[in-house]
Amino acid sequence: DQQVKQNSPSLSVQEGRISILNCDYTNSMFDYFLWYKKYPAEGPTFLISISSIKDKNEDGRFTVFLNKSAKHLSLHIVPSQPGDSAVYFCAVSKGKTDKLIFGTGTRLQVFP
Amino acid sequence: EAGVAQSPRYKIIEKRQSVAFWCNPISGHATLYWYQQILGQGPKLLIQFQNNGVVDDSQLPKDRFSAERLKGVDSTLKIQPAKLEDSAVYLCASSYTGGGSRGTFFGQGTRLTVV
Repeated sequence: DQQVKQNSPSLSVQEGRISILNCDYTNSMFDYFLWYKKYPAEGPTFLISISSIKDKNEDGRFTVFLNKSAKHLSLHIVPSQPGDSAVYFCAVSKGKTDKLIFGTGTRLQVFP
Repeated sequence: EAGVAQSPRYKIIEKRQSVAFWCNPISGHATLYWYQQILGQGPKLLIQFQNNGVVDDSQLPKDRFSAERLKGVDSTLKIQPAKLEDSAVYLCASSYTGGGSRGTFFGQGTRLTVV
């Protein structure tokens, strides 16, 4: 029973364009949402987060959007850079202090 | 600030053998996690410690997996006996408080191959 789904296993985007990564969750009790980035042979690193009281959070080139009614969040990267090429995981939790539940990941490739 | 340290980085064992992984969290982090990441999947929580007490081990296969965190600092995760399906990357993470915050930091992981 997968509580967090990332339906696109991979995404290829040209440098300078927008990358949009999507994530769906099943349980409306989740109220804290995060994106992690993972390079090969490294552990995941935190990228950006949003709580359920907001619908948008922005940090430089990265923006996360939350649609609670649809139980959907997305990560926008603008403009995309080759260094953004990595696997992106969304993660959810019930409050800031609960465990993280991860999606299956989306491999982003940004080409010149 | 030193990150989460894990060893070994890679391990190959035969099925039915035993293996142990070690984790040293970031200094001062009270919460420590072990995650299992099977190829093509996201990390799955195996066990969560708060100091040296277990908070959540609901997804730990207790017939073969065990973990301890002595003195609330370092932790070891053991598998005995290993099965082919245990092949995965084992990630250790730590945070000041519980998970779900930006303060959850991951180690590089140990890649286990069971043959």
